[in-house]
Amino acid sequence: GQNIDQPTEMTATEGAIVQINCTYQTSGFNGLFWYQQHAGEAPTFLSYNVLDGLEEKGRFSSFLSRSKGYSYLLLKELQMKDSASYLCAVISNDYKLSFGAGTTVTVRA
Amino acid sequence: GAVVSQHPSWVICKSGTSVKIECRSLDFQATTMFWYRQFPKQSLMLMATSNEGSKATYEQGVEKDKFLINHASLTLSTLTVTSAHPEDSSFYICSARAGVDYEQYFGPGTRLTVT
Repeated sequence: GQNIDQPTEMTATEGAIVQINCTYQTSGFNGLFWYQQHAGEAPTFLSYNVLDGLEEKGRFSSFLSRSKGYSYLLLKELQMKDSASYLCAVISNDYKLSFGAGTTVTVRA
Repeated sequence: GAVVSQHPSWVICKSGTSVKIECRSLDFQATTMFWYRQFPKQSLMLMATSNEGSKATYEQGVEKDKFLINHASLTLSTLTVTSAHPEDSSFYICSARAGVDYEQYFGPGTRLTVT
């Protein structure tokens, strides 16, 4: 089975940094995705990690440690528009995505 | 590139009727399409996987006779919710995968409300 855990909610101030952790235990691993989802909309792709290490893409960075079953998404210089749900998802050998429950990030002025 | 559309974006239907949702890959051929369901404040749950020209594979607990999936071409998959009930009200999202890429491209979702 697949077990993917991430915090339910996080709150941060505009301009700050927030780190969303994700731990996983899955049968088969072909990479980990982070998606952003605004209410009532479909998820949008943020990052994909398949090798250990840090991937940086502008204000967003994602880290993966396969041996620890752990990833984090780092959001820097937070903006109000970053208020959304962030989904951690693992892709298994059969190309299926298993999603965590999502972390709702609220950015306050 | 890699755009996926869904139609309709929202639909309201009466209990007992059937609703068809279309998922199209607009600028690529989708070898595999996936259908997800998302209830309020919950994450996406995979319902089924469909490959062009073959029967869909349903996840455990998803009734294949209730949620009919047809993947007639490399750019179109349809999900028909038959004999809809209020508990089927949800946000239905499709995604498509091209070739050997792991990435899935998501459609904008369809909000179904059954009254």
